[in-house]
Amino acid sequence: KNEVEQSPQNLTAQEGEFITINCSYSVGISALHWLQQHPGGGIVSLFMLSSGKKKHGRLIATINIQEKHSSLHITASHPRDSAVYICAVSKGGSEKLVFGKGTKLTVNP
Amino acid sequence: DAGITQSPRHKVTETGTPVTLRCHQTENHRYMYWYRQDPGHGLRLIHYSYGVKDTDKGEVSDGYSVSRSKTEDFLLTLESATSSQTSVYFCAIGSGLYGYTFGSGTRLTVV
Repeated sequence: KNEVEQSPQNLTAQEGEFITINCSYSVGISALHWLQQHPGGGIVSLFMLSSGKKKHGRLIATINIQEKHSSLHITASHPRDSAVYICAVSKGGSEKLVFGKGTKLTVNP
Repeated sequence: DAGITQSPRHKVTETGTPVTLRCHQTENHRYMYWYRQDPGHGLRLIHYSYGVKDTDKGEVSDGYSVSRSKTEDFLLTLESATSSQTSVYFCAIGSGLYGYTFGSGTRLTVV
């Protein structure tokens, strides 16, 4: 079983919809990261979380340490949000990241 | 990101030839990483470095070697390229405390 699991693998939405991507992990972590990768593009770090909630524009990330679960929410989705969203964790005692396999989001106009 | 650059961005090479990819950072960061990204596998760690001349293997290190003679440069070498090494390669810098920054990637095709 992968140490980091994301769901769903693929997600299609209509412009304006509220979107949730989930990430569960099975190891102790020092932080959880949400990354974004546009088609053919590089990888951009969106959030780094160790507790609670963070917001940046229309993006919100939450983490529940006890349940080992994080969610990434996108409000008022737009076609430019179409990308692969990757959850990764920094394991306690290690600087190395462990990655989920990503969620491919397509937002249609 | 301006603090980390990869070269080349694209490369096509023949099976059996050696290939070196370069990662250059201007952030003076201690930790550097090489990943490969493949459909169905996501990002997997090849090698990483925790300082000049200090490197270690990741989960998919077979067929790859690395060198770090200066803080700013981390080189990934495919000693004898194979078709299974066709992939997109990403370099990254960072740590669990400060977060991570990724390069723009190198698309390598081995024919």
